[in-house]
Amino acid sequence: SQQGEEDPQALSIQEGENATMNCSYKTSINNLQWYRQNSGRGLVHLILIRSNEREKHSGRLRVTLDTSKKSSSLLITASRAADTASYFCATDGQGGNQFYFGTGTSLTVIP
Amino acid sequence: DAGITQSPRHKVTETGTPVTLRCHQTENHRYMYWYRQDPGHGLRLIHYSYGVKDTDKGEVSDGYSVSRSKTEDFLLTLESATSSQTSVYFCAISAPAATYGYTFGSGTRLTVV
Repeated sequence: SQQGEEDPQALSIQEGENATMNCSYKTSINNLQWYRQNSGRGLVHLILIRSNEREKHSGRLRVTLDTSKKSSSLLITASRAADTASYFCATDGQGGNQFYFGTGTSLTVIP
Repeated sequence: DAGITQSPRHKVTETGTPVTLRCHQTENHRYMYWYRQDPGHGLRLIHYSYGVKDTDKGEVSDGYSVSRSKTEDFLLTLESATSSQTSVYFCAISAPAATYGYTFGSGTRLTVV
């Protein structure tokens, strides 16, 4: 399978703390994406990082990519209760337009 | 979700009956996808389309077929529904190379009894 795997499966933190989740994948990629899914909703695209990039920022989000280790991390700084959701990484396996999703990290931010 | 709608939102059907789920987009995107989401499996690609009448299989395509006769519509058909097809189905759209990521619909919760 080309699916990525997120770690940890579940994470619970206090509001204001930082949350870090990791993604490992198996094959070479062109792009890696992170998505958020609130309960009962569709996935929302957060950030895309290309294989030639090492780090990318978007607001309180910081994504890193280490292609030598086939891994990525998503850092959410100063977390808020509204960040409670599941987070998924998706990789394209150099196939271009098809992305393969992991099983997700469930993040709970306690007010 | 803006630009993409799925119908129905919920459906209960009996084993052995055909079921069609519809995805409609107003973004004029070339690429459309059907995924299913199950606990412990994440999202798995069923079928995708890269243009009108151009479709291809994903990793879990058995028991499913798709059609795309217009840019804006992508239909997923379960030929003869089975209980193992009980799932939440998501449609997604993207520009070429998914430069800005996928946009997902709100999902269809299908229960096969």
